[in-house]
Amino acid sequence: AQSVTQLDSQVPVFEEAPVELRCNYSSSVSVYLFWYVQYPNQGLQLLLKYLSGSTLVKGINGFEAEFNKSQTSFHLRKPSVHISDTAEYFCAVSDRWGSQGNLIFGKGTKLSVKP
Amino acid sequence: EAQVTQNPRYLITVTGKKLTVTCSQNMNHEYMSWYRQDPGLGLRQIYYSMNVEVTDKGDVPEGYKVSRKEKRNFPLILESPSPNQTSLYFCASSLEQGATEAFFGQGTRLTVV
Repeated sequence: AQSVTQLDSQVPVFEEAPVELRCNYSSSVSVYLFWYVQYPNQGLQLLLKYLSGSTLVKGINGFEAEFNKSQTSFHLRKPSVHISDTAEYFCAVSDRWGSQGNLIFGKGTKLSVKP
Repeated sequence: EAQVTQNPRYLITVTGKKLTVTCSQNMNHEYMSWYRQDPGLGLRQIYYSMNVEVTDKGDVPEGYKVSRKEKRNFPLILESPSPNQTSLYFCASSLEQGATEAFFGQGTRLTVV
């Protein structure tokens, strides 16, 4: 079964510093990959997704992620964070050919941006 | 505005008292699902539905029921809630499984005492 590992449960960072949130998934078969963000007291919204094509994917709010098939990783990056980026971030994967194609989520990474 | 609407947002109930959390989407999506979110565990899928009258179990279905009589609605039913079902619940919908963006409701925070 597919699984997703987010290596850091919490990432504190100062404003305007770069950040990388790490995500690894278990299966080497073809997958769709997603990053979602959850702001306090809100639902999840899509940041970006990888379906096929270029391995570097750009999303909203200046975030980007790189799909690395050999390392089964999909790390999220931002070159300069803002206070407003404080939120919890979830990596998710879906098998292309799985029986369900359901989203499997990681446990989340809480990004805390300090002034 | 395209959205997924859950009600109620907050609910406190007692053990054993049946409750229903409603979910409605206005995007004509075929696929809908329910998740629960617990600290340190991320989101775990409870049930999903690929279309009207088609539902199936997710990873943590015990103690929950769902129905999909209409395309837009996907209520979550707890016949006899227990304290271990205290959680934050999210409904989500998408055009299809897998490749497309999932749209989430605002969440329902349930406390069972």
